[in-house]
Amino acid sequence: GENVEQHPSTLSVQEGDSAVIKCTYSDSASNYFPWYKQELGKGPQLIIDIRSNVGEKKDQRIAVTLNKTAKHFSLHITETQPEDSAVYFCAAKDNYGQNFVFGPGTRLSVLP
Amino acid sequence: DGGITQSPKYLFRKEGQNVTLSCEQNLNHDAMYWYRQDPGQGLRLIYYSQIVNDFQKGDIAEGYSVSREKKESFPLTVTSAQKNPTAFYLCASSIGQRTDTQYFGPGTRLTVL
Repeated sequence: GENVEQHPSTLSVQEGDSAVIKCTYSDSASNYFPWYKQELGKGPQLIIDIRSNVGEKKDQRIAVTLNKTAKHFSLHITETQPEDSAVYFCAAKDNYGQNFVFGPGTRLSVLP
Repeated sequence: DGGITQSPKYLFRKEGQNVTLSCEQNLNHDAMYWYRQDPGQGLRLIYYSQIVNDFQKGDIAEGYSVSREKKESFPLTVTSAQKNPTAFYLCASSIGQRTDTQYFGPGTRLTVL
């Protein structure tokens, strides 16, 4: 079955710097990769997603890149702000699998 | 407003008691899911349902039960058989099950005293 690893587990950056979180997956059949942001005590919110027919997707300060050959995808946040501080989860899914497999999460702290 | 609601936000239970967590959605989604989240860990799937009156076990279904009598509702019962029930429980829904994005509710934090 699918296995998703996520690194780093914690990340601290200065406000205004960029942050990058990387996930690797094991099942080459996976073709949908969402990223979720979870603030303390709240449910995860989808912030961006990418499908396997696309190599990169951007939405303002957030971007996701996908390397299908290497089986990894990354979340890029530019010009970080204190409100970006949260736990970020990646996930992977294929057309045939029953459900998503989530990474263990990255706790991002943006220091003012 | 469209979305997923979970209640209550905080729930306390004595050992040996069953407790039911509510999940309601008005998004007209067919599929619904229950996840468990422990501190510093990712989400683990408890149960999921693709359509009304049908549901399947996820990775950690032991000690839990669900029902799906209505499209909008997918309650989760944590039974006394669940050995370590203290956790944050998240409900999610998606339009269908295959490749569709899942949207999460705000969660219920269950504490067993």
